[in-house]
Amino acid sequence: DIQMTQSPSTLSASVGDRVTITCRASQSISTWLAWYQQKPGKAPKFLIYKASTLESGVPSRFSGSGSGTEFTLTISSLQPDDFATYYCQQYHTHSTFGQGTKVEIK
Amino acid sequence: QVQLVESGGGVVQPGKSLRLSCAASGFIFSNYAMHWVRQAPGKGLEWVAVISYDESKENYADSVKGRFTISRDNSMNTLYLQMNSLRPEDTAVYYCGRDSEVVFITTVDYWGQGTLVTVSS
Repeated sequence: DIQMTQSPSTLSASVGDRVTITCRASQSISTWLAWYQQKPGKAPKFLIYKASTLESGVPSRFSGSGSGTEFTLTISSLQPDDFATYYCQQYHTHSTFGQGTKVEIK
Repeated sequence: QVQLVESGGGVVQPGKSLRLSCAASGFIFSNYAMHWVRQAPGKGLEWVAVISYDESKENYADSVKGRFTISRDNSMNTLYLQMNSLRPEDTAVYYCGRDSEVVFITTVDYWGQGTLVTVSS
């Protein structure tokens, strides 16, 4: 099974900060990677697929990059609505989620 | 608009069975693979299973293989998850999700609101 490891587990940041979350795969997954945002009590929201393609309607301050085993999600200027937990997901072989990164208010 | 509505959750004793349903609307159900993803209380997301648009393929997480069965009824626009031999560690909110691409199995773009399954004696 492919394991996905996110870092950090928790990130404290302020509005306007540039935020980067890293996701590492235990083996190469090419660019078969998605990112989700989840708020408490809600279903996840689809943000990015194929590692770097923004889903329609997602603000352009979100971006994704990477290939192979190392990937990043960047929020260029953190907004109040962005405080949430973020998950990466590989879909190269079946599917696996990372453990999540909580972005909290500093 | 795409809508996914799960039902069938509840409290069940260890070793028993439960069947979840997911009613889909707002898209051509028979064109898309469908997924189940779960989230234990206070924990992260865990992908559970996927079924191809034409029922020809099913894949499962190792944690549920042999106990859970995913199925669909394209005439009823409904996805199912039959859960047998339930364990306390299966306690979670179960989400159904639509695949993001027509025909292929990829990732999930639309999610239901989830249904809570609690396995406890």
